Amino acid sequence: AQSVTQLDSQVPVFEEAPVELRCNYSSSVSVYLFWYVQYPNQGLQLLLKYLSGSTLVKGINGFEAEFNKSQTSFHLRKPSVHISDTAEYFCAVSGAGGGNKLTFGTGTQLKVEL
Amino acid sequence: DGGITQSPKYLFRKEGQNVTLSCEQNLNHDAMYWYRQDPGQGLRLIYYSQIVNDFQKGDIAEGYSVSREKKESFPLTVTSAQKNPTAFYLCASSIGGSGYNEQFFGPGTRLTVL
Repeated sequence: AQSVTQLDSQVPVFEEAPVELRCNYSSSVSVYLFWYVQYPNQGLQLLLKYLSGSTLVKGINGFEAEFNKSQTSFHLRKPSVHISDTAEYFCAVSGAGGGNKLTFGTGTQLKVEL
Repeated sequence: DGGITQSPKYLFRKEGQNVTLSCEQNLNHDAMYWYRQDPGQGLRLIYYSQIVNDFQKGDIAEGYSVSREKKESFPLTVTSAQKNPTAFYLCASSIGGSGYNEQFFGPGTRLTVL
């Protein structure tokens, strides 16, 4: 079984400030990790993914995440946020050999303020 | 444009009625999924299908049914047995059924049961 924890349900931040959205996972097998973004009343869009190789992953819209196996974390970061980054962000994990069943965290609402 | 379409965007039904949500993809993907999203709970897997004429229950399949008669279509029926059907429903697809395959999401259907 696998699980994902997003401890922060809401993160307020001022425009042009840096932000980190936290994600921790648990799994008994090797994992693949994903971050998705959801704008109000829309579907999810993939920001970035970690499959293997370099632990620092760069995605769209200036976001990046670092896979830390020892801490079982996959935190999402952006050095300077914009108003348009206001959205809900979901971390998700799938297990190697377990088919494509994604397990999602409960989401973090990022609110960027002027 | 390739993508996933869900219809309708908003759906209202009376309690006790069955309702079918449509999901169509023209990405030539083999695997398709249905998720339910409730505020503060992330996404939970209802059913998934890795190939035509085959599907498996997800984590919360009770009160739902699906069919996969065509590669591009994966309709979800919310039956009267579903105790709390009001939610946002998301359909997704992926090129294959492996854990490293990215899932692409449709725009969602918001179902309200009166």
